[in-house]
Amino acid sequence: AQSVTQLDSHVSVSEGTPVLLRCNYSSSYSPSLFWYVQHPNKGLQLLLKYTSAATLVKGINGFEAEFKKSETSFHLTKPSAHMSDAAEYFCVVGRRNYGGSQGNLIFGKGTKLSVKP
Amino acid sequence: DGGITQSPKYLFRKEGQNVTLSCEQNLNHDAMYWYRQDPGQGLRLIYYSQIVNDFQKGDIAEGYSVSREKKESFPLTVTSAQKNPTAFYLCASSRSGNQPQHFGDGTRLSIL
Repeated sequence: AQSVTQLDSHVSVSEGTPVLLRCNYSSSYSPSLFWYVQHPNKGLQLLLKYTSAATLVKGINGFEAEFKKSETSFHLTKPSAHMSDAAEYFCVVGRRNYGGSQGNLIFGKGTKLSVKP
Repeated sequence: DGGITQSPKYLFRKEGQNVTLSCEQNLNHDAMYWYRQDPGQGLRLIYYSQIVNDFQKGDIAEGYSVSREKKESFPLTVTSAQKNPTAFYLCASSRSGNQPQHFGDGTRLSIL
């Protein structure tokens, strides 16, 4: 079975400092992995995706994530936080095929990022 | 621009009333999805459709119904059987399989 765990429900950083949002996954095969961002009262926007090419994936807005198979992790990072980065971030595992009542994506419960001036 | 349009943005339901949330996409995607989002619970799948005239129940389908008569449209009806409908509802679409999903901006449903 596949699953995804976001290790922090809330992360707070100061503007200009690095961001680290942690995600661990469980999968019996090499998974597709995604990070999405959601601003208040908006839909989710795709930040980046990993699909078994390069293990370091660059996304939009300066975010990147590294796939580490040995650690079953896919942490999201950004060197310098901006006020506009304040949002909720979701780590997502893709199924190889549709999985019955769970569809084709499994969402983590989200990490809310706060950025202090 | 291609995208997903959800309407209305805010919706209020009276007791015993059915309401329908609209979702339209012009991305030519085969698959469409409905999610419910509650604070601290992430996204939970209500229904999904991989192709026109076919759909499958998600984890929390009870009290909801859908139709997929056209590729572009996937409306969700929240029936009176759904006893706790207050939530943020998100529609998404994807080409298929493991492809990323594209999301609309959501409909917030509240009870009067």
